[in-house]
Amino acid sequence: KNQVEQSPQSLIILEGKNCTLQCNYTVSPFSNLRWYKQDTGRGPVSLTIMTFSENTKSNGRYTATLDADTKQSSLHITASQLSDSASYICVVRANNAGNMLTFGGGTRLMVKP
Amino acid sequence: GAGVSQSPSNKVTEKGKDVELRCDPISGHTALYWYRQSLGQGLEFLIYFQGNSAPDKSGLPSDRFSAERTGGSVSTLTIQRTQQEDSAVYLCASSLALSSGGQNEQFFGPGTRLTVL
Repeated sequence: KNQVEQSPQSLIILEGKNCTLQCNYTVSPFSNLRWYKQDTGRGPVSLTIMTFSENTKSNGRYTATLDADTKQSSLHITASQLSDSASYICVVRANNAGNMLTFGGGTRLMVKP
Repeated sequence: GAGVSQSPSNKVTEKGKDVELRCDPISGHTALYWYRQSLGQGLEFLIYFQGNSAPDKSGLPSDRFSAERTGGSVSTLTIQRTQQEDSAVYLCASSLALSSGGQNEQFFGPGTRLTVL
């Protein structure tokens, strides 16, 4: 069964600090992995997409890594801002799944001043 | 429109009543998806449409749930005889047609928060 697990479930950090969110998956065969940011009361918005051959991809202060061998991904947030407070969802697509996705449970991040 | 829109944004209903949720996808997006997000839980896939057809309905939790899409655009998700466990946020997403790489991003709407009393 395809599964995506994220850790930690929740995280509180001070503004300006860095943090790293983890995602482990068992989706096979792997196609791509996206990190989404979901603000409270809003739909998820894609931050990055990573395919099998990509190890690192950055989007501003967000940097995603992918280790396809160990089936792990991380999302690193640098110099956090209050607006980074949100849920971060790891989503993995399998090659044989049409355009359907397996969602992780998300990490709820709170950035405090 | 600029993005995926959903209506209503909030719906409170009594147990046993039927509800209809609406999704307007991004213009030109042929694929449309419905998800359910219960409090503190991850997104649960319900159904997707390619054009007006729904190749995979396996995610619908019961026969009280149905969805349709007409004209390759607007979709409605109907829940009959609502139960308290149906309370959740129902998210709709749309994307361009499937590509061989399958990298088409799904753009999400803001969701409909359904509360069944």
